[in-house]
Amino acid sequence: QVQLVQSGAEVKKPGASVKVSCKASGYTFTSYGISWVRQAPGQGLEWMGWISAYNGNTNYAQKLQGRVTMTTDTSTSTAYMELRSLRSDDTAVYYCARDVFGGEYNWFDPWGQGTLVTVSS
Amino acid sequence: SSELTQDPAVSVALGQTVRITCQGDSLRSYYASWYQQKPGQAPVLVIYGKNNRPSGIPDRFSGSSSGNTASLTITGAQAEDEADYYCNSRDSSGNHRRVFGGGTKLTVL
Repeated sequence: QVQLVQSGAEVKKPGASVKVSCKASGYTFTSYGISWVRQAPGQGLEWMGWISAYNGNTNYAQKLQGRVTMTTDTSTSTAYMELRSLRSDDTAVYYCARDVFGGEYNWFDPWGQGTLVTVSS
Repeated sequence: SSELTQDPAVSVALGQTVRITCQGDSLRSYYASWYQQKPGQAPVLVIYGKNNRPSGIPDRFSGSSSGNTASLTITGAQAEDEADYYCNSRDSSGNHRRVFGGGTKLTVL
C-alpha cells in the first residue's frame, strides 16, 4: 500500500536546525511531489512547501523562504525537510504528504504519521 | 488571494445532514480538497477534485462548489464523523502554492 513513514521526534534549542525525513513506499516516487505541512499545538494546518520528486523543483511558502530547504533522494525514495534558525513558534507536528496536482486541482494523499519538533531552551 | 475561510465550529444531530463551507477567491479557479483530522492523528483525505472520494471513505461524504465557496456535506452524520475538517486548494495568485482553511470543528450531538 502507498505509505509515507517519517523520522522520530526531535527536541532542538532556539537557533538550531532540524531535518525531518519521509520515506515513501508503494508507488513510483518520482511520479509525484511531496508537500510538507505543519501544525502548531492546538492550531490548524499550515502548508510549508512542495518539492517535485521528479526533478527537485521546489516551491516554498513565502513566510519560510530562506529558512527551509526541501530535498529528495530518489535512490531511497526519501524526502527531507530542513528548517533552520529555529524559534519557539516552530514547535509543531510536521507532516509530509504525497502531493497530486493537475490543471484545476491538488490534493494530499497519503500523509505521513507526523514528526513532533519541539524548540525549547 | 491566499486565504480560505471556514467557520470555526459546526454541530449536527446524530443522523442529520451537515454542510461545512470554505470560502476564498482561489476556489473560483481551483477545486477544493477536504481532510478529516481526529485528535492525535494525521489528516485523512475525504474529498478531492470535483466530488471524488478515496477508497474507504463512506458515501455519506460529498463535495460541491459554487463561485468562491466549496462545501463538504455529510448526509446522515455518525458519531465517528466528529473531527476537525480542513479545506485546501491551490493559491490563485499564480505561484502554484497551496493554502489551507483554518479548519472547522464538527461536533455530533
